[in-house]
Amino acid sequence: DVKVTQSSRYLVKRTGEKVFLECVQDMDHENMFWYRQDPGLGLRLIYFSYDVKMKEKGDIPEGYSVSREKKERFSLILESASTNQTSMYLCATQTVTDTQYFGPGTRLTVL
Amino acid sequence: TQLLEQSPQFLSIQEGENLTVYCNSSSVFSSLQWYRQEPGEGPVLLVTVVTGGEVKKLKRLTFQFGDARKDSSLHITAAQPGDTGLYLCAGEGETSGSRLTFGEGTQLTVNP
Repeated sequence: DVKVTQSSRYLVKRTGEKVFLECVQDMDHENMFWYRQDPGLGLRLIYFSYDVKMKEKGDIPEGYSVSREKKERFSLILESASTNQTSMYLCATQTVTDTQYFGPGTRLTVL
Repeated sequence: TQLLEQSPQFLSIQEGENLTVYCNSSSVFSSLQWYRQEPGEGPVLLVTVVTGGEVKKLKRLTFQFGDARKDSSLHITAAQPGDTGLYLCAGEGETSGSRLTFGEGTQLTVNP
């Protein structure tokens, strides 16, 4: 079974803090994605990566950066958290047939 | 930007009823996927349809891809409380590489 794990299920941070969200997969998939999910807006793509040290902007990259130093790990970084970044963050990996496997999500609250 | 519109956004029905969820776009997709998400979890793939007009069945769930590959539907027969969840459609554009475009989701509640 594919396993995608995210470092925290729930996180509370203060405005201006630097926030790291980590995602680890155990299936050697090359493609990894970060989404945020908000009610009524569905999943919106923040960043994705096709390989180690490669990254591409998604639809809403502003205020975020990513790091992929190892194939199995894809990190999302909020350089200076703001209240409008309160959301559910979902990491996914992708097979060659384009099926995406999601982690359980991190519910981030920025106060 | 390709958009996928799902309807209805919310659906609350009684156990045993039938329902249909729609996923529509003005864009053509090379494939379309349906996911189900339960509270506190990530979405899980139910099915992928790739051919225009294709129909796939998964027990009481029937998925159809439109002939023009711009729309899809999910029909559930005799819904059960275990079907409760958020249903998401996601399309792979013909020129978007491996990126998926997700619909807003349909929150289904099946009451016993």
